[in-house]
Amino acid sequence: GAVVSQHPSWVICKSGTSVKIECRSLDFQATTMFWYRQFPKQSLMLMATSNEGSKATYEQGVEKDKFLINHASLTLSTLTVTSAHPEDSSFYICSAGEGAGDQPQHFGDGTRLSIL
Amino acid sequence: AQSVTQLGSHVSVSEGALVLLRCNYSSSVPPYLFWYVQYPNQGLQLLLKYTTGATLVKGINGFEAEFKKSETSFHLTKPSAHMSDAAEYFCAVSERNAGNMLTFGGGTRLMVKP
Repeated sequence: GAVVSQHPSWVICKSGTSVKIECRSLDFQATTMFWYRQFPKQSLMLMATSNEGSKATYEQGVEKDKFLINHASLTLSTLTVTSAHPEDSSFYICSAGEGAGDQPQHFGDGTRLSIL
Repeated sequence: AQSVTQLGSHVSVSEGALVLLRCNYSSSVPPYLFWYVQYPNQGLQLLLKYTTGATLVKGINGFEAEFKKSETSFHLTKPSAHMSDAAEYFCAVSERNAGNMLTFGGGTRLMVKP
């Protein structure tokens, strides 16, 4: 089956640090990748959608300059949380889609980000 | 805008009992329908999906779901719960001709009592 690798799985860092999270589709080409944020005991909140080679589309309320998304190839997307602060602490999950709506998104295992 | 409702944020069943997790969607045009499971500190794993054809779909781990257009529902069931089924379950829909974009329900936490 389709595998999405997300790295790192845990990050603990000081306030003001920038953190990069990688999302790779290992055995398929992902035309679209999605970044979600999940607060404790809540559903997934879509942050942005990215297509290879083009700028990401951010959801309303998500700061583009805070959450930088790069989708340089059909198998790799990165999310950089710039100058992270404690309120950015959360569980971030990426997923990858093959383009067709009847195909499921394939999810990474998530990244637990803790900002001290 | 499309919305997905999962009735019951928490469901508790005894081991061996029937599992029923409810999902209703709002659109008049039937979307593509998915059920995902999430274990603690992990991403989402696809349980099953409905796109077209037979309305009763079978998934992994003994789960199945039935698409009922008249009720705009896609409830998830399993005849006999196992302790390992304890997790968070999400219903999601994707509108036809809208690519892979998913709209998620609020999730249901399934607890299984020994």
